[in-house]
Amino acid sequence: QKEVEQDPGPLSVPEGAIVSLNCTYSNSAFQYFMWYRQYSRKGPELLMYTYSSGNKEDGRFTAQVDKSSKYISLFIRDSQPSDSATYLCAMKDRGSTLGRLYFGRGTQLTVWP
Amino acid sequence: KAGVTQTPRYLIKTRGQQVTLSCSPISGHRSVSWYQQTPGQGLQFLFEYFSETQRNKGNFPGRFSGRQFSNSRSEMNVSTLELGDSALYLCASSSTGTINYGYTFGSGTRLTVV
Repeated sequence: QKEVEQDPGPLSVPEGAIVSLNCTYSNSAFQYFMWYRQYSRKGPELLMYTYSSGNKEDGRFTAQVDKSSKYISLFIRDSQPSDSATYLCAMKDRGSTLGRLYFGRGTQLTVWP
Repeated sequence: KAGVTQTPRYLIKTRGQQVTLSCSPISGHRSVSWYQQTPGQGLQFLFEYFSETQRNKGNFPGRFSGRQFSNSRSEMNVSTLELGDSALYLCASSSTGTINYGYTFGSGTRLTVV
């Protein structure tokens, strides 16, 4: 079992829909939680970063972390065709080195006009 | 500000050959990490370098190696290539002490082994 599980989708929604993306994890030492967006033929780019539990909002994006359930979510409001990409969750535990991240496999999202 | 530059972008190699991939981090970034991305496994951590020292290594065979130079540029090498090494190889750089945690990734090198 991978330390970070993410449903690969694909997920297809109409423009304007609310999108919910989720990851579960098994390592209770994870303290830092990130969401990356990856467009085709590009590297991942950081969307949201959260430390420990709680919610964080940035424009149309909201990240939630529930450490008691080992579950994180990313919500996209008013989705746009430009949001079509693969979304990757990533995590880091407090004790590991700066660059050692654990990634989910990614969820492929398509937003159609 | 220039981003993370990876060269070459695409590469086709034959089984048994070796390959060297290059990564130039963002200016001032001293930490570089490498990941392998495949459809089946997603992103898997290869290794991490800081100030020319390997600080962490993932669960890959010894055929995978890397190094970092004094200007923070990094290379990774894969010897005796296997078909299963076909993947997108991503490099990420970071400045230490970053509060808004996150690495900046390059666009990757797409390696195809035939």
